[in-house]
Amino acid sequence: DAKTTQPNSMESNEEEPVHLPCNHSTISGTDYIHWYRQLPSQGPEYVIHGLTSNVNNRMASLAIAEDRKSSTLILHRATLRDAAVYYCILSSTGTASKLTFGTGTRLQVTL
Amino acid sequence: GAGVSQSPSNKVTEKGKDVELRCDPISGHTALYWYRQSLGQGLEFLIYFQGNSAPDKSGLPSDRFSAERTGGSVSTLTIQRTQQEDSAVYLCASSLVGQSYGYTFGSGTRLTVV
Repeated sequence: DAKTTQPNSMESNEEEPVHLPCNHSTISGTDYIHWYRQLPSQGPEYVIHGLTSNVNNRMASLAIAEDRKSSTLILHRATLRDAAVYYCILSSTGTASKLTFGTGTRLQVTL
Repeated sequence: GAGVSQSPSNKVTEKGKDVELRCDPISGHTALYWYRQSLGQGLEFLIYFQGNSAPDKSGLPSDRFSAERTGGSVSTLTIQRTQQEDSAVYLCASSLVGQSYGYTFGSGTRLTVV
């Protein structure tokens, strides 16, 4: 499976935008980029996914580099409830859509 | 139901006993996954069911672990002769089939082996 690299942790102030980076330099042409987050003591929660074009939903935006070797999850206005571990994952055709979770980025949000 | 339901939410068992964990996926989701998460660690894939296909068991850590999915719906993960290292949160997820669909996770079963 193609690998992703994320910073271990990031901090943000409440009501500020947050840009969470992810590098995936070995991504293949058919890999989707998925983002999940895991709040404390909960199961992971789907955030957003995309293939080539930037994507927006009610939770976040996903900006995908033109060469697809990196992407950025954007939270437009962080709140305390956004404090979580954020996982960037590639979905590979050969693994029948099985997702392999890495260690993710722990986001701290402060007042 | 509206989400993925797992039971029990907590289970404490003695070392050497067998345990069964249940997962009720979202209706219509043909793909079902089991993961486990040890304290402070990431998610570890265990097994994946898709429709009537043979399950992908590549993540099961030993032959003490098994899972079945009856009627393409409810799944049971069984751990025989539990060991202390089996203590973890066991998470189930379901999805529609295909790379472009996201998973919906349950809240997990916290298993403690004493």
